[in-house]
Amino acid sequence: QSVLTQPPSVSGAPGQRVTISCTGSSSNIGAGYDVHWYQQLPGTAPKLLIFGNSNRPSGVPDRFSGSKSGTSASLAITGLQDEDEADYYCQSYDSSLSGSVFGGGTKLTVL
Amino acid sequence: QVQLVESGGGVVQPGRSLRLSCAASGLTFRSHGMHWVRQAPGKGLEWVAVISNDGSNKNYADSVKGRFTISRDNSKNTLYLQMNSLRAEDTAIYYCAKGVYSNGWFYFDYWGQGTLVTVSS
Repeated sequence: QSVLTQPPSVSGAPGQRVTISCTGSSSNIGAGYDVHWYQQLPGTAPKLLIFGNSNRPSGVPDRFSGSKSGTSASLAITGLQDEDEADYYCQSYDSSLSGSVFGGGTKLTVL
Repeated sequence: QVQLVESGGGVVQPGRSLRLSCAASGLTFRSHGMHWVRQAPGKGLEWVAVISNDGSNKNYADSVKGRFTISRDNSKNTLYLQMNSLRAEDTAIYYCAKGVYSNGWFYFDYWGQGTLVTVSS
């Protein structure tokens, strides 16, 4: 049971828009700690996708965007492409645990 | 470019010990907090431990506290994870990750390729 809750799977057709939610609590996201997102392609290490709730590292397409409100955050992917098929994880800090917490991960399938 | 290369994984019996290493290059290693994150087969990511840039501060996930020790040698640009009293549930790919401190905690902007630790008799 992960501290941050994500849907196990989402899917969409090429060109469509999908969103992935990340729900936390008052000891993590709701406490004001930033949410970060990672993309993990099959058989590879995670890659930073969004940092500080809504910022994209250099090289990440603007099809990827993040937002945060209250105790939740979301990752949106527009113009879905085949290469977006991957696992996506949200991450934050939890003051009760005094450490990093991850969501359980969401598997994105491009139909 | 930043490179993080883990080593030291393998098959180990329950109760035994193992030490992982992470060799860093392409960055000013002594300037950055470093982390270990693990991923059990077919499962999600789990943060394991953090060490400050100078090694003076360390913190651990409850699941490994008292059994694992994170350390670093800034003269060798290397991060370590000493794992004692290993259990089957410690079986995972172990990644080292460079931390960026922001708004009270870190995010991870560079990751190694990971090293697999299998705890089995």
